[in-house]
Amino acid sequence: SQKIEQNSEALNIQEGKTATLTCNYTNYSPAYLQWYRQDPGRGPVFLLLIRENEKEKRKERLKVTFDTTLKQSLFHITASQPADSATYLCALLGARQLTFGSGTQLTVLP
Amino acid sequence: GAVVSQHPSWVICKSGTSVKIECRSLDFQATTMFWYRQFPKQSLMLMATSNEGSKATYEQGVEKDKFLINHASLTLSTLTVTSAHPEDSSFYICSARDWDRGLSQETQYFGPGTRLLVL
Repeated sequence: SQKIEQNSEALNIQEGKTATLTCNYTNYSPAYLQWYRQDPGRGPVFLLLIRENEKEKRKERLKVTFDTTLKQSLFHITASQPADSATYLCALLGARQLTFGSGTQLTVLP
Repeated sequence: GAVVSQHPSWVICKSGTSVKIECRSLDFQATTMFWYRQFPKQSLMLMATSNEGSKATYEQGVEKDKFLINHASLTLSTLTVTSAHPEDSSFYICSARDWDRGLSQETQYFGPGTRLLVL
């Protein structure tokens, strides 16, 4: 069966450090992978999309890598700030629907 | 990016009553909208795909007679939770896809969610 796993339910890091979140998938052949941010009581907000033929994508302090051999995506936030504290979700587009991982709750400590 | 709104943002109702949630695409037209449900500490689970002018497509395990979906126009879809019970208490989120010119890709945008509490 298809699975999307985000290995850490929660991650605490110190302000200024780089946060690295992992997303692994099985039984998918995605054309692209997406990362979303979700704050408590709010809907997900789109952050980045990376295609299967792209190794890396950057946007300001965010960086995403995509390894289709390992079936893994890494999501990095550099120079992290307390305002980056949120739950981060990876998502894959299957046959017709977007399926989400369970998310990693990131807390950036001041 | 495109904006999706939902109304109400939260609702409390008595068991046995029906609740309607509206989802609107504010600056784009969406022939397809999606309804998700999210329980605490869990990820979003797709309930159904709403198609403008036709019947919704429900995911396995989702009762179509309990969760009525109407996609009456290209900017409005509604989800009605009929005869709501406490176990229906959850966070309901709608979504729609729009073409993102910068990405040259269709991107899925989400509404702010509706918190439903059934007493």
